[in-house]
Amino acid sequence: QVTLRESGPALVKPTQTLTLTCSFSEFSLRTSGICVSWIRQPPGKALEWLARIDWNDDKYYTPSLKTRLSISRDTSKNQVVLTMTNMEPVDTATYHCVVMVYATVRITFDYWGQGSLVTVSS
Amino acid sequence: DIQMTQSPSSLSASVGDRLTITCRASQNIRSYLNWYQQKPGKAPELLIYVASNLQSGVPSRFSGSGSGTDFTLTISSLQPEDFATYYCQQSYTTPYTFGQGTKLEIK
Repeated sequence: QVTLRESGPALVKPTQTLTLTCSFSEFSLRTSGICVSWIRQPPGKALEWLARIDWNDDKYYTPSLKTRLSISRDTSKNQVVLTMTNMEPVDTATYHCVVMVYATVRITFDYWGQGSLVTVSS
Repeated sequence: DIQMTQSPSSLSASVGDRLTITCRASQNIRSYLNWYQQKPGKAPELLIYVASNLQSGVPSRFSGSGSGTDFTLTISSLQPEDFATYYCQQSYTTPYTFGQGTKLEIK
């Protein structure tokens, strides 16, 4: 059974850098067609896709946050790391890591971590 | 970015009702449209992919249709466990974008 677990600070101060780690099991990020994305959800609001890293190490970011985001992987540790710089209160959200299946037509968010609630406040 | 607009934003219904949620994309996304269900305090779960394909394990009372810019999610006979928030999501291109959600409440 695929499992994902997000870890990181629950509270960050404005202007600080957030680092979140996604630890996963029962799949390999070396497998063709497997990607990991980060998606966030502010309290009571909709979902927002942030970034994706692929089996071949290609990376994609949402344009509005591209200058602040970085996604990386450690395949030996089965981990994906997201960093977001210059955090602001509007970045308060639950951050999910998600396994994507990337096939010819099917591109879906299949397996979700429970999420890590990050509050940005001084 | 492709904008996804769902309607209605919220809906009250009764067990046994048939209901439809609509999702409109700001440009042609062919059939690259997925639907997710989210219950309070939980992560979303995939229901429908490529507009009309039922994810394994999802009850057959859920169905999806549409292509291009207009899509629908239909629940044929509401069950108590279906009261949740539903999101459409386009996978046509990055940045992947979601609708604002439709919250389904018990009447």
